[in-house]
Amino acid sequence: ETGVTQTPRHLVMGMTNKKSLKCEQHLGHNAMYWYKQSAKKPLELMFVYSLEERVENNSVPSRFSPECPNSSHLFLHLHTLQPEDSALYLCASSLGLRGEKLFFGSGTQLSVL
Amino acid sequence: AQTVTQSQPEMSVQEAETVTLSCTYDTSESDYYLFWYKQPPSRQMILVIRQEAYKQQNATENRFSVNFQKAAKSFSLKISDSQLGDAAMYFCAYRSSLSGGGADGLTFGKGTHLIIQP
Repeated sequence: ETGVTQTPRHLVMGMTNKKSLKCEQHLGHNAMYWYKQSAKKPLELMFVYSLEERVENNSVPSRFSPECPNSSHLFLHLHTLQPEDSALYLCASSLGLRGEKLFFGSGTQLSVL
Repeated sequence: AQTVTQSQPEMSVQEAETVTLSCTYDTSESDYYLFWYKQPPSRQMILVIRQEAYKQQNATENRFSVNFQKAAKSFSLKISDSQLGDAAMYFCAYRSSLSGGGADGLTFGKGTHLIIQP
C-alpha cells in the first residue's frame, strides 16, 4: 500500500457515457499526476498538478478533463470516449516536482465499448 | 525530449539466481534522476530503487542494485537471489532535475517482464 487510492478499480463504459475516475492521497504530497498505460507502450503522462494548479497537459484530447479540488484529490472526467481510450489509468503523487519519486495507485482498468 | 529504452521485453531466471535488466536513456541534461519501478499483477507501481545522476556511487536496496554508467547513459538493474515474489513487469524511468523540467513527471521505458522459474 503506497498511500494512493484509486476508484473504481474497473470501469466499463459506452462511447456516449460520462464517468469520472477518482484518486486520493494522504501522504502530504503537493503534486499529482495522471498516466495512461496501454499494452505494448510506455506509460504516457497525461496531466500534472502542482499545488492544485495544472502545470502540464501533454496534448491530451478534450474528452479527458482533469480536476484537482485540493492537494489530496484528483479526478479525471471522461466523456464521449473512443475504444482506443481503453487502458489502465494510473494516478500518482509526489512531494514536489524536482526529482521526487512518484507513489502510484493501483489504477483503474477502463474498457470503452 | 528524453527517451528511455528497455531492449528486453522478457527475461527468465531460476529462483535464487541473479538477473540483470538493461536500460539505456537519451538526454542532453547533466543532472537528473533515474528509477526502477516494479509492477506486479496487482498493477500498483512500486519503487524499487532511485539513482541521482550526480552521485557516482551505485544505489543499492537489499537484493537490488544498479550499474549506473553515466557516460554510456546506461542504468541496469541487478536482482540477486531471485525470489518468486520478484516476478513482475520492471520499468526504467527518467526524471529531469531542472526547475520546471520536473513537471514532465517520469519518462518510462516499455518495460521488461521478469519470470522467476521455481
